[in-house]
Amino acid sequence: DQQVKQNSPSLSVQEGRISILNCDYTNSMFDYFLWYKKYPAEGPTFLISISSIKDKNEDGRFTVFLNKSAKHLSLHIVPSQPGDSAVYFCAASANNQGGKLIFGQGTELSVKP
Amino acid sequence: DVKVTQSSRYLVKRTGEKVFLECVQDMDHENMFWYRQDPGLGLRLIYFSYDVKMKEKGDIPEGYSVSREKKERFSLILESASTNQTSMYLCACSLHFLNQPQHFGDGTRLSIL
Repeated sequence: DQQVKQNSPSLSVQEGRISILNCDYTNSMFDYFLWYKKYPAEGPTFLISISSIKDKNEDGRFTVFLNKSAKHLSLHIVPSQPGDSAVYFCAASANNQGGKLIFGQGTELSVKP
Repeated sequence: DVKVTQSSRYLVKRTGEKVFLECVQDMDHENMFWYRQDPGLGLRLIYFSYDVKMKEKGDIPEGYSVSREKKERFSLILESASTNQTSMYLCACSLHFLNQPQHFGDGTRLSIL
């Protein structure tokens, strides 16, 4: 049972345009959400997080949106840069269910010059 | 910055061998985690520890054990390696268990022949 799903295995975007990565979840008890970025041969790097009491969190070029009614999370990268090319994982946790992080399958973003 | 160091980047072992993967963190974080990453499956939690000598099973603990004798060190043990344990293994730590990002090492690519 995949509680966190990233339905797009890959995404290709032109440099300078917006990248939108999507994530859906099924567990309504999730209350903390994160995005990680992973380059080949490196560990995941924490990018940005959001609590379920908010619907938006912004950090520079990265913005995470949370739609609780739709159980949907998205990461916007504006403007996209070639260095953003990586695999992006979303993750979620529920404080009243032990707080373990549950990860999606990942989306590989390719930003073309 | 948090530094998580995994002892080996690449490791090749034979079926039936006992394998040790070591992880050390330098930030005095309470919580440590072991994941494996496989294509199309994202990151899956094997074991975690919230204190010295404490351990909890994650989602896929079968065939693995762990040891945490010191706060900074968390070891993953494959009791009798099998080919289906060929994977990328990632260690992580976090300061608090709830609502905190985890910080990852660069991973160990383990091949079981």
